[in-house]
Amino acid sequence: GQNIDQPTEMTATEGAIVQINCTYQTSGFNGLFWYQQHAGEAPTFLSYNVLDGLEEKGRFSSFLSRSKGYSYLLLKELQMKDSASYLCAVVDSNYQLIWGAGTKLIIKP
Amino acid sequence: DAMVIQNPRYQVTQFGKPVTLSCSQTLNHNVMYWYQQKSSQAPKLLFHYYDKDFNNEADTPDNFQSRRPNTSFCFLDIRSPGLGDAAMYLCATSSRNTPSYEQYFGPGTRLTVT
Repeated sequence: GQNIDQPTEMTATEGAIVQINCTYQTSGFNGLFWYQQHAGEAPTFLSYNVLDGLEEKGRFSSFLSRSKGYSYLLLKELQMKDSASYLCAVVDSNYQLIWGAGTKLIIKP
Repeated sequence: DAMVIQNPRYQVTQFGKPVTLSCSQTLNHNVMYWYQQKSSQAPKLLFHYYDKDFNNEADTPDNFQSRRPNTSFCFLDIRSPGLGDAAMYLCATSSRNTPSYEQYFGPGTRLTVT
């Protein structure tokens, strides 16, 4: 079966750095997305990786290793507004998104 | 601005009373999706349309139906809502003409069943 694993919840301090990991086992791979979802709202796009390596976009970076079935999202200079769920999703061989359950990130002052 | 719109944002229905949720898009994307999302869970794909080609997920209950009368609009019909159908319903679009298959989400409709 297809499976995406990410931690259920993480806590970090305002101004710090946090890394959210995602491991996946899917039938085929056509890219990996990270989405941010605030409580009661729709997911919003953060990043897309299809090749190995690090993609940096402001305070957020995303890394992919296809051979290891592994990705992480790195958030720097954390702000209170970063408190949200972060969802990892993989595009499978049928070009469908396979979603992880999300990691709830709690930011403390 | 090009966008995905869902109406209503909040819907309350009675147990067993049919309800329709709507989605429209101005992105001219050829793929539209309906997801169900319950608290602290991953979005669960119910259906998707690639143009007019309808694709039903194997585990989507028969109680859920969908219509896409044209490129811009898509509807989710719940024929006899049960208490377990209370959830956030998310509409998303994507284009098969772009390499990333990024999905663009509407704001969602939160359904309450009383």
